[in-house]
Amino acid sequence: DTAVSQTPKYLVTQMGNDKSIKCEQNLGHDTMYWYKQDSKKFLKIMFSYNNKELIINETVPNRFSPKSPDKAHLNLHINSLELGDSAVYFCASSQARPDTQYFGPGTRLTVL
Amino acid sequence: GQQLNQSPQSMFIQEGEDVSMNCTSSSIFNTWLWYKQDPGEGPVLLIALYKAGELTSNGRLTAQFGITRKDSFLNISASIPSDVGIYFCAGYNYGQNFVFGPGTRLSVLP
Repeated sequence: DTAVSQTPKYLVTQMGNDKSIKCEQNLGHDTMYWYKQDSKKFLKIMFSYNNKELIINETVPNRFSPKSPDKAHLNLHINSLELGDSAVYFCASSQARPDTQYFGPGTRLTVL
Repeated sequence: GQQLNQSPQSMFIQEGEDVSMNCTSSSIFNTWLWYKQDPGEGPVLLIALYKAGELTSNGRLTAQFGITRKDSFLNISASIPSDVGIYFCAGYNYGQNFVFGPGTRLSVLP
C-alpha cells in the first residue's frame, strides 16, 4: 500500500490556467506538507498543515492555496499558472514533528 | 533565513569506495537528518540525529551530529551502484520549519 500518494504524476498545462494536485496519506499522520523542488533540485517547503492550522512559507505567492478536506488529504490549488511554477511538487506527511516525514512520489508540473 | 551548505556538490566514485559528505550551517540546529532521493522519487529518510556528538549507523551509512550543532557528516562505506542519487541534509528546530541543503549528487561507477 502506498503511504503517501499524489495525483497526477505529470501535469502539463498552459500559462494562465488553474490546476490542482491531490495528495493522500494512509499513515494516520496529523501533519501534511507541500514542497517545491526546482530544476536545480533545491527543496523548499511551501506549506505545512496540522489540525486545521496552516503555516505558510512567506515566499509562496498567494496564487498557491492548500485545501485540506480531512486529515488524510491536502490538495494544492494553483491559480493563473506562470512559467516559473514549473517544478516537481512533493507532498509529505508526518506525526506532529516533521523530523519523520514520508514523501510522496512527486508531481512534475510543466507550464508552457 | 537559515541556509544549509553541502559539500561536495557532486562526486563520482568507483564501486567499493567509501564516501564522505558534509553539511554546514551558520545557525544551530537541534535535529539533523539525512535523506536520499532516487531519480523520479521523493526523498527517503536515511538517518535522524537528535543529540550533539551523536554517531548513528544504518547499514553501510554512518552519520554524525557535529559538536557545535552547526554541522553534520554522512559516510557511506563500500559503495554499490544503488547508492546513486542525491543526498540531502536537513536541519530542524522544534516549532520552526525544516531547512533542506542543496544536495550532494553521488554517481557510482562500476
